[in-house]
Amino acid sequence: QKEVEQNSGPLSVPEGAIASLNCTYSDRGSQSFFWYRQYSGKSPELIMSIYSNGDKEDGRFTAQLNKASQYVSLLIRDSQPSDSATYLCAVKAGGGADGLTFGKGTHLIIQP
Amino acid sequence: KAGVTQTPRYLIKTRGQQVTLSCSPISGHRSVSWYQQTPGQGLQFLFEYFSETQRNKGNFPGRFSGRQFSNSRSEMNVSTLELGDSALYLCASSPGDKGVYGYTFGSGTRLTVV
Repeated sequence: QKEVEQNSGPLSVPEGAIASLNCTYSDRGSQSFFWYRQYSGKSPELIMSIYSNGDKEDGRFTAQLNKASQYVSLLIRDSQPSDSATYLCAVKAGGGADGLTFGKGTHLIIQP
Repeated sequence: KAGVTQTPRYLIKTRGQQVTLSCSPISGHRSVSWYQQTPGQGLQFLFEYFSETQRNKGNFPGRFSGRQFSNSRSEMNVSTLELGDSALYLCASSPGDKGVYGYTFGSGTRLTVV
């Protein structure tokens, strides 16, 4: 059974610091990796996608992928109170099978 | 550009009834998938459609079904509702086949079964 594991938190980070969110996955055939942000009472919002090993940067966000270790991470630089949300890691298998498998999310709190 | 539109936003149904939820994807997106979100199980994949064909189905009973129309709009149906079906149902669309470019979610339909 495909699994995606995340620390549920809460993860508390001071404003302006770097928030580091981690995710591991069980299916070695996974090809596409996504980070979603979900505010309370809202739907998930795609913030990063990554497909190959290494780092991918977009503004204050950096996604990191290590397929050998089956590990994905998200770094948020210069954290702002508006970054406080639940961050969901999602993984899609190669060949398009089975839709997205989501972790249960990490609750991030940015303290002013 | 309009986002993914789901209707209705809220529904209250009685156990044993059936319900149909609707989803209009982003214009030009041909892949539509459905997810169930509950506090205990998180987000779970229900099914995915591309060009009116069901591509994949998650581990849900046959009471959950769906379809996609030629204009890419999609509906999902749940028959013989159970209390445990109370959840947020999310529709997501993707521009390409197999969703490799990620999915954009709608605001969801909050279903309460009493």
